[in-house]
Amino acid sequence: DGGITQSPKYLFRKEGQNVTLSCEQNLNHDAMYWYRQDPGQGLRLIYYSQIVNDFQKGDIAEGYSVSREKKESFPLTVTSAQKNPTAFYLCASSFSSGGGTEAFFGQGTRLTVV
Amino acid sequence: ILNVEQSPQSLHVQEGDSTNFTCSFPSSNFYALHWYRWETAKSPEALFVMTLNGDEKKKGRISATLNTKEGYSYLYIKGSQPEDSATYLCAFSNDYKLSFGAGTTVTVRA
Repeated sequence: DGGITQSPKYLFRKEGQNVTLSCEQNLNHDAMYWYRQDPGQGLRLIYYSQIVNDFQKGDIAEGYSVSREKKESFPLTVTSAQKNPTAFYLCASSFSSGGGTEAFFGQGTRLTVV
Repeated sequence: ILNVEQSPQSLHVQEGDSTNFTCSFPSSNFYALHWYRWETAKSPEALFVMTLNGDEKKKGRISATLNTKEGYSYLYIKGSQPEDSATYLCAFSNDYKLSFGAGTTVTVRA
């Protein structure tokens, strides 16, 4: 089945450690996005990528890094520089960049830093 | 940061009643306006993508309108059912970014 997969569903890390969240899609989509959700808040854009080997910072990119070496994959690294990393992270993809086509979402990863 | 605002934050509806809620967004550099439904323990799913001023879209009992000149969109639910309980997100695109509002959480009471 075509879809977008995030793993793991739950992730625990010690403070000061970097952690990488996986996002894979087999929908042949060009655009991919990472969002963060905190309790009582909406989805905030961390990074987005319009095409392989290209990505742009979103609204809250500080303390995060991404790569887009393959069309199918857009991993997000939460670095030790991120001051409040505990959150729910959602990955999304869409057929074209520009927002003219609907986005498909993964199931999310809940990251807890202790 | 693109300011996408949704109101109200939450609402309760009696089963069978109709309801509507708002998404406001910047009226400049508009490209598209999306609506998503996000049910508990599931991923957000697209309801509508609208690009033209005056667009009206419908899916079953749910419909949406778009006013790009004044920067708002309404989502309507007609004859609410318990399965309509969810958070409804709108998202605005002005280029390649897709920026979301905080959502309106709808609870339908039987």
